[in-house]
Amino acid sequence: DTAVSQTPKYLVTQMGNDKSIKCEQNLGHDTMYWYKQDSKKFLKIMFSYNNKELIINETVPNRFSPKSPDKAHLNLHINSLELGDSAVYFCASSPPADSPYEQYFGPGTRLTVT
Amino acid sequence: KQEVTQIPAALSVPEGENLVLNCSFTDSAIYNLQWFRQDPGKGLTSLLLIQSSQREQTSGRLNASLDKSSGRSTLYIAASQPGDSATYLCAVGGLDQTGANNLFFGTGTRLTVIP
Repeated sequence: DTAVSQTPKYLVTQMGNDKSIKCEQNLGHDTMYWYKQDSKKFLKIMFSYNNKELIINETVPNRFSPKSPDKAHLNLHINSLELGDSAVYFCASSPPADSPYEQYFGPGTRLTVT
Repeated sequence: KQEVTQIPAALSVPEGENLVLNCSFTDSAIYNLQWFRQDPGKGLTSLLLIQSSQREQTSGRLNASLDKSSGRSTLYIAASQPGDSATYLCAVGGLDQTGANNLFFGTGTRLTVIP
């Protein structure tokens, strides 16, 4: 009965590969997000997806693309992986803005690019 | 652009002490503020959420305050326990043009409670 789940938990891959991280929430939330936590433990917003509208943080390379097959899922696709993409990626979701709008985070996916 | 700072970066206290963690932000036009806890190698656990119209929230031994005008929030932990040892993250929420609440995180305070 996990609220926000991510798979895989760990992902080790080589430079140049394409990989995907899956995220699912069973909270019925309308909005989902992807965050990146770098080696210095700093968390930064990458994307928000609300009512089928995607907002991309300007610093995110276009090799990263979120895809939402339905309201409960927001998967992260990464093309041509680079060493600097190594980080922990967190998925999150939140209810509509007219509620407390608390964000719930998944357990994270640790991506290591070699 | 919102910038969030947390002081101190690390804090060690003996068990039983009360302590205060500080968070400051540069843009007072926030939607809400959320305090999280992160254990090593783990995800984020939400502790408290303060709406922009609120001044404080309490949950058990935790009390969070918000002063929007001065761009500050504090997290007060009473009677600290070794199990409180973790990194505490402050995150300021702002609505983007779609209505999504993007969180801007501070760098965190790593708390160690010594038995």
